[in-house]
Amino acid sequence: DGGITQSPKYLFRKEGQNVTLSCEQNLNHDAMYWYRQDPGQGLRLIYYSQIVNDFQKGDIAEGYSVSREKKESFPLTVTSAQKNPTAFYLCASSIGARVYNEQFFGPGTRLTVL
Amino acid sequence: AQTVTQSQPEMSVQEAETVTLSCTYDTSENNYYLFWYKQPPSRQMILVIRQEAYKQQNATENRFSVNFQKAAKSFSLKISDSQLGDTAMYFCAFMKPPTQGAQKLVFGQGTRLTINP
Repeated sequence: DGGITQSPKYLFRKEGQNVTLSCEQNLNHDAMYWYRQDPGQGLRLIYYSQIVNDFQKGDIAEGYSVSREKKESFPLTVTSAQKNPTAFYLCASSIGARVYNEQFFGPGTRLTVL
Repeated sequence: AQTVTQSQPEMSVQEAETVTLSCTYDTSENNYYLFWYKQPPSRQMILVIRQEAYKQQNATENRFSVNFQKAAKSFSLKISDSQLGDTAMYFCAFMKPPTQGAQKLVFGQGTRLTINP
């Protein structure tokens, strides 16, 4: 079945540690996205990538980094510079053409900083 | 920058009733897309309905329909014959047409909808 997988589902981190969230898709989509969701707020865009080896900052990129070495993978690293990293993180992908195509979401990763 | 506002943090109705969720947005764009997403307790984001701003006709998907008022920048979602499975967080979202391939969604704060038996 085609879809987006995120791992792990729950992740715990000690303060000061970097942690990497995985996002993989087998939909053959060119574009991929990372969103952050906090209680009482909607999703906010962290980073997005339109094509392999290219990515752009979203609205809240500080304290995060990404890479896009393969079309199917878009890992997100939460660095120690992120002041309040505890949140729910969602990955998404879309075909990436210059016309609208539905954005599909993964199941999410809940990150908790201890 | 675009903003999306959902003024109803929580709503609750009885099963089979009709419920309307409100959304307003702010943009200087003339062409754009508007969406309603559903996030059930599983937290999986599901697209409910989409509206293109250049289309005057309101979008409908089975029991879900929208009231799109472009001049007022209002985009409400009506759920008819509500079902227990409709219980979820509902997010209104805005998107400019993709120009280079990526589609950046701007979300509202969400409305928690509970359908009671």
